[in-house]
Amino acid sequence: QVTLRESGPALVKPTQTLTLTCTVSGFSLSASGMCVSWVRQPPGKALEWLALIDWHDDKIYTTSLKTRLTISKDASKNQVVLKMTNMDPVDTATYYCARVHSEWANYYFDYWGQGTPVTVSS
Amino acid sequence: SYELTQPPSVSVSPGQTARITCSGEALPKQYAYWYQQKPGQAPVLVIFKDSERPSGIPERFSGSSSGTTVTLTISGVQAEDEADYYCQSADNTGAYPVIFGGGTKLTVL
Repeated sequence: QVTLRESGPALVKPTQTLTLTCTVSGFSLSASGMCVSWVRQPPGKALEWLALIDWHDDKIYTTSLKTRLTISKDASKNQVVLKMTNMDPVDTATYYCARVHSEWANYYFDYWGQGTPVTVSS
Repeated sequence: SYELTQPPSVSVSPGQTARITCSGEALPKQYAYWYQQKPGQAPVLVIFKDSERPSGIPERFSGSSSGTTVTLTISGVQAEDEADYYCQSADNTGAYPVIFGGGTKLTVL
């Protein structure tokens, strides 16, 4: 059974760095073809893809946030970590991690975590 | 930049057919995927590769593609289908490997 669970602070202050952890089970992060992504959703707004890491440890970031994002993984702990620097109130959102089905650079999300809400406020 | 355009809302009566469109210049060459999201829940994949249905998704959900528009069709809509629906795809340059549409709120009258 594939599961993903996000964890991290519910509240961060402006300019701080957000660190979120996605703990997965039911699949191996080092298995061929396995990828994990982060997606966020501001309250009442659409989904926004942020970053992806694959089994080779290759990483892809959304262009608009590339300078602020770092995605990494620890396969031995079954964890994927997302860091976002210089947080701003507009970054207030629910942050989801999702398993990515990857096929010839076609990506889609077949399993999602429940999401973790993050509020940016002083 | 690249965008996928969806209508903000679609309304249908129970038992009718709902059609939700998603338009994008790269769709003739890129697969589209559809997600259903109910309030307070994570998205669920309902269609992949334009028209394939994951196991466990009811047969009333189907997808199609024609030129720069893909369509999610829900036949015989039920009250439980009321949700937000998002299309997802990519552009042809690699600059946008994952992009979501703005979402469509399906209301079952």
